[in-house]
Amino acid sequence: GENVEQHPSTLSVQEGDSAVIKCTYSDSASNYFPWYKQELGKRPQLIIDIRSNVGEKKDQRIAVTLNKTAKHFSLHITETQPEDSAVYFCASSPHSGNTPLVFGKGTRLSVIA
Amino acid sequence: EAGVTQFPSHSVIEKGQTVTLRCDPISGHDNLYWYRRVMGKEIKFLLHFVKESKQDESGMPNNRFLAERTGGTYSTLKVQPAELEDSGVYFCASSPLRGTMGNTEAFFGQGTRLTVV
Repeated sequence: GENVEQHPSTLSVQEGDSAVIKCTYSDSASNYFPWYKQELGKRPQLIIDIRSNVGEKKDQRIAVTLNKTAKHFSLHITETQPEDSAVYFCASSPHSGNTPLVFGKGTRLSVIA
Repeated sequence: EAGVTQFPSHSVIEKGQTVTLRCDPISGHDNLYWYRRVMGKEIKFLLHFVKESKQDESGMPNNRFLAERTGGTYSTLKVQPAELEDSGVYFCASSPLRGTMGNTEAFFGQGTRLTVV
């Protein structure tokens, strides 16, 4: 079955700097890659997702890149702010419509003001 | 529109006791998923319902776990008898049913933090 590895497990950056979180997956059939953000005490929320027919997607300060050949995808946050501090989870899922997500172990991002 | 709601938010029980977790998905969402996160580890899939039917229960740890979704609305996850290793945060998520259109956003509840002592 699918296996998702996520690095780093913790990340501290200065406010205004960029943060990058990387994930690899094992199942070449996986075609959907969402990123979830979980703030302390709150529910995981989708912040961005990408499908295999594109290599990059941006939404304001957040971008995700996908390399299907190498089976890895990354989350990029630019101009980090204290409110970006949270646990970020990458996930993957085969493109069959309703299949469950396979998650990485999460990255705890701390943005230091 | 109400989001996915889970009850209780926290539960502390003794080993050997029974606990029932409840999830109310977003109205109209036929897909309902249960996940669990043990501290420091990944959010791990347990079970997937499509309406009232169990689509995939390959992630259920053992037969001490029983999930139901009568009528295709809310779902319950019962752990009986609970063991220490069952401690963790149990998440429920829901999404609309999609055919071959590909996955869409799964909306998560806030989770139930279960502590077995």
